[in-house]
Parts: sequence; structure tokens; C-alpha cells
Amino acid sequence: KQEVTQIPAALSVPEGENLVLNCSFTDSAIYNLQWFRQDPGKGLTSLLLIQSSQREQTSGRLNASLDKSSGRSTLYIAASQPGDSATYLCAVSDYGGATNKLIFGTGTLLAVQP
Amino acid sequence: NAGVTQTPKFRVLKTGQSMTLLCAQDMNHEYMYWYRQDPGMGLRLIHYSVGEGTTAKGEVPDGYNVSRLKKQNFLLGLESAAPSQTSVYFCASSYPGQLSYNQPQHFGDGTRLSIL
Repeated sequence: KQEVTQIPAALSVPEGENLVLNCSFTDSAIYNLQWFRQDPGKGLTSLLLIQSSQREQTSGRLNASLDKSSGRSTLYIAASQPGDSATYLCAVSDYGGATNKLIFGTGTLLAVQP
Repeated sequence: NAGVTQTPKFRVLKTGQSMTLLCAQDMNHEYMYWYRQDPGMGLRLIHYSVGEGTTAKGEVPDGYNVSRLKKQNFLLGLESAAPSQTSVYFCASSYPGQLSYNQPQHFGDGTRLSIL
């Protein structure tokens, strides 16, 4: 059974710092891996999607990497801003994508202090 | 562009009452999903549908029923609500199969449900 773990559970950093969020999964047979952002009381917003054949994806100040063999992904946030404060969720899609079901980690709560 | 719309946004029920949560998407997605989010447990899949008229069980289906009579709508029903079903419920939709390889799931804003 696929399990997804995110470390740390919570993180507080001063504005301007670069930071890394970690995600690990137990079964390397995934279709893709997605990083989401969730603001309090809101739904999930997709940040980056890495296909199983890719190593990384970038969007603005965000960079996500994928190492399937070791079952790990990282989300790198450069020059953090208070507006980056949110919960970040990692999810993997079932192999083959036949149903595209997602298995989620429990998230990292990020607070960027001004 | 509305995306995925969930109604209602909030609801309080008494134990034993029934209700239906509605999810509507306007992106012509084949696949739709219902998840629940509980503190410390992340999102867990309740039921999903890979097309109009089809439904399947997810990880935590007990106590819930679903229907997909129209492609754009996915309904989640609680026949006899229990306090353990207090949660935030999210609906999502996506493209099917190989088209989902590089396309993320789209989520609604959630329904916050409390069972007293």
C-alpha cells in the first residue's frame, strides 16, 4: 500500500530565506507526483506536477524534484515571502493513471515571518 | 470559469440525519473524486467516478454513497450521519487516463460538515 510522508510537519522561517519541503513515498511505481498549496479554509491549488519520467519542474520561485528510485520529492521555495504562508501538500498518482487516484501526505504548514 | 463548485459550503447535522453534497465541474472532465480531510490525516479518497454512470469505492467508503448521473455532477450522500463523519469534504475532477499524465486534479473549495 502506497504511503506518503511529509517532513517537517510545520516550518517557520524569516522572510527572504530559501527553504526545502520534503515528501517521501513507499512505492516507486507512480504515474506522477503533484505539489499543492492549501490556504486556511480553502481548497487545494496545484503548484507543480512532475511526470514519472521527469526529474524536476519549475514555476517562478518554486522548483520541485523527483527521485523515483529513492521514493523522494522536494519542493524548493526561493526567497520566501509572507504570502507563501500556507499548507503544502504532496500527492502521488496511482501507477498507469487508469484512475488517477491521488494518495496524499499530511502536509507541511509553512509560516513565513515578515 | 468556475472550475469545480461544491455546495453547500457549511452544514451542521444531527446524528442520524441524511444529506447530499453536490459537486459540479464545467471543464468536461471524465474523472471525478470525493475526498475527506481530517486533522493530521491528510486527504483520503472516499469514492470516485471514471465516467457518467460509473462509481467506485476509494479508501474510506463506509457510510457514504455516490451517484454520477450527469458527466458534470458528482453527488456524495450520507444516509445516516455519524459524528465520525465530521470533516471537510473536497471534490476534484481530472482528465482521464493518459491525458492525466501532465494535468493536475482540480479541487473545489470544500464543504465543512459537522455532525452533532
